[in-house]
Amino acid sequence: GQQVMQIPQYQHVQEGEDFTTYCNSSTTLSNIQWYKQRPGGHPVFLIQLVKSGEVKKQKRLTFQFGEAKKNSSLHITATQTTDVGTYFCAGQSGGSYIPTFGRGTSLIVHP
Amino acid sequence: DGGITQSPKYLFRKEGQNVTLSCEQNLNHDAMYWYRQDPGQGLRLIYYSQIVNDFQKGDIAEGYSVSREKKESFPLTVTSAQKNPTAFYLCASSSGRDFYEQYFGPGTRLTVT
Repeated sequence: GQQVMQIPQYQHVQEGEDFTTYCNSSTTLSNIQWYKQRPGGHPVFLIQLVKSGEVKKQKRLTFQFGEAKKNSSLHITATQTTDVGTYFCAGQSGGSYIPTFGRGTSLIVHP
Repeated sequence: DGGITQSPKYLFRKEGQNVTLSCEQNLNHDAMYWYRQDPGQGLRLIYYSQIVNDFQKGDIAEGYSVSREKKESFPLTVTSAQKNPTAFYLCASSSGRDFYEQYFGPGTRLTVT
């Protein structure tokens, strides 16, 4: 079945440093979504990417979808303590509406 | 306010007891999902439902059961057959059409001793 690998599992950064998490799928995806889960909270939708090579920005966050639609990344510029949490990617393929979630990357920001 | 509610937030049970977790949504979404989250494991799909009176097993359905008698409601029963029931349980919904954004409830943290 479809697998979505996400790395790294944890990332410690100093406030102000950049952060990137990567997702790789074993199959071609029709779309990929990114979610953020704050400590003790629930996942909250950030964005969906659909097109090959798509790049979207939300303030300091940049999301990319690979040309082959098998990988994606989330990059945060100049992290802040408010960025702390676990970031999940979730991909769908083959017309299914059921997403496969990566294991998430936990971001720890040191002030 | 539109959204998903789950209750209770914390639940404690003794081993051998069945327990039912509530999930209600007023987003008029067709699809609903149950996930289990353990530390370092991400989100694992237990059951999902695309329409009323229909549901499908996810990756880890053993020891769980669901019903979907109403569009708004998708309760999950954790049975005594579930070997490691202590976990954080998340319910989600989506429109089930072209845009696949999932809306999550606040979750129920179940502890079984």
